[in-house]
Amino acid sequence: GENVEQHPSTLSVQEGDSAVIKCTYSDSASNYFPWYKQELGKRPQLIIDIRSNVGEKKDQRIAVTLNKTAKHFSLHITETQPEDSAVYFCAALTNFGNEKLTFGTGTRLTIIP
Amino acid sequence: SAVISQKPSRDICQRGTSLTIQCQVDSQVTMMFWYRQQPGQSLTLIATANQGSEATYESGFVIDKFPISRPNLTFSTLTVSNMSPEDSSIYLCSVGLSAGELFFGEGSRLTVL
Repeated sequence: GENVEQHPSTLSVQEGDSAVIKCTYSDSASNYFPWYKQELGKRPQLIIDIRSNVGEKKDQRIAVTLNKTAKHFSLHITETQPEDSAVYFCAALTNFGNEKLTFGTGTRLTIIP
Repeated sequence: SAVISQKPSRDICQRGTSLTIQCQVDSQVTMMFWYRQQPGQSLTLIATANQGSEATYESGFVIDKFPISRPNLTFSTLTVSNMSPEDSSIYLCSVGLSAGELFFGEGSRLTVL
């Protein structure tokens, strides 16, 4: 089955700086890669996603890049703010048609004021 | 997105008992899933709740321990049977709305004493 690795497990950045979280996947047939943000005690929330026919996608301060050849994708957050502090999970869609997501292990991002 | 209501939001249970978690969605959805999130960990898929047929369980999860019902396209239940402290976790209902996009309920935090 699909295996998703995520790095780093923890990340601290100064407010205003950029943060980058990286994931790799194993199944070359995976074609959908979402990112979720989970604040303490809250549900995971979809913040951005990318499909395999696209190399990059932006939404205001967040962006995701995908390298299908290398089987890795990354989340970029620019101009970080304290409210960006959370745990971020990447995921990859396997078994297309069964809509089953495999999640990475998560990155705890802390923004230092 | 969809409005996903889960209950109970939290419960404290005694070893050996069973608890049923309910998930209600405000619209008809084909794909419903149950995930487990152990403290400080990522999300692990327990099973896909199939409407009108038996759930599809992931490796390591069995129907006798986690029976699931899906009587219609807006409702599902997950039962955690014969609980032990190792079952202490957050259980999350989720729905898939279009190719891969997954939305979560608020979760049910279960503590087993």
